[in-house]
Amino acid sequence: KNEVEQSPQNLTAQEGEFITINCSYSVGISALHWLQQHPGGGIVSLFMLSSGKKKHGRLIATINIQEKHSSLHITASHPRDSAVYICAVITGNQFYFGTGTSLTVIP
Amino acid sequence: DTGVSQNPRHKITKRGQNVTFRCDPISEHNRLYWYRQTLGQGPEFLTYFQNEAQLEKSRLLSDRFSAERPKGSFSTLEIQRTEQGDSAMYLCASSLNGGQTKLFFGSGTQLSVL
Repeated sequence: KNEVEQSPQNLTAQEGEFITINCSYSVGISALHWLQQHPGGGIVSLFMLSSGKKKHGRLIATINIQEKHSSLHITASHPRDSAVYICAVITGNQFYFGTGTSLTVIP
Repeated sequence: DTGVSQNPRHKITKRGQNVTFRCDPISEHNRLYWYRQTLGQGPEFLTYFQNEAQLEKSRLLSDRFSAERPKGSFSTLEIQRTEQGDSAMYLCASSLNGGQTKLFFGSGTQLSVL
């Protein structure tokens, strides 16, 4: 059993659609990261959350510590948002990663 | 560029050969992590360093794998007697301290063992 589960695994959306990616985890955490991985393999950290909500441009991330759940929302999606989005949690000194959600935004 | 740098980007080797990868973290970062990622999976933790000390190693890391960070700056990951199952993307990340600090990733080294 994975410590971090993401859904959906794959997501195709039309440009402009509102997108939600979900992450559930089973361990106690000190923080949660949302990462973006492009086809070349490079990974960028989008958000780090320990409570509440953060917003950066068209991206919004929320976390509910009691429910052990986080969501990443993309408003007005664009083809350049196409990437794999990975949820990672920090417990102690360890990071646990989800398997990622592959997002394709069609023009 | 002051990001995390990994070399080489790609490595193709024959089974049984040894390979070494290098990671240069962001200069002021004292934490350095190595991860392995196979197609369709999220990164798997291999090991991490706090400065030059290797504080934790994953059970996934067999005796053929060794990592060093001799001066608390760059790190190397060596795989001895490579096997086809070692084929993966090897990712390095660094952070300033651990816990609730942002993690910065390198572009990875893609290893193919023939």
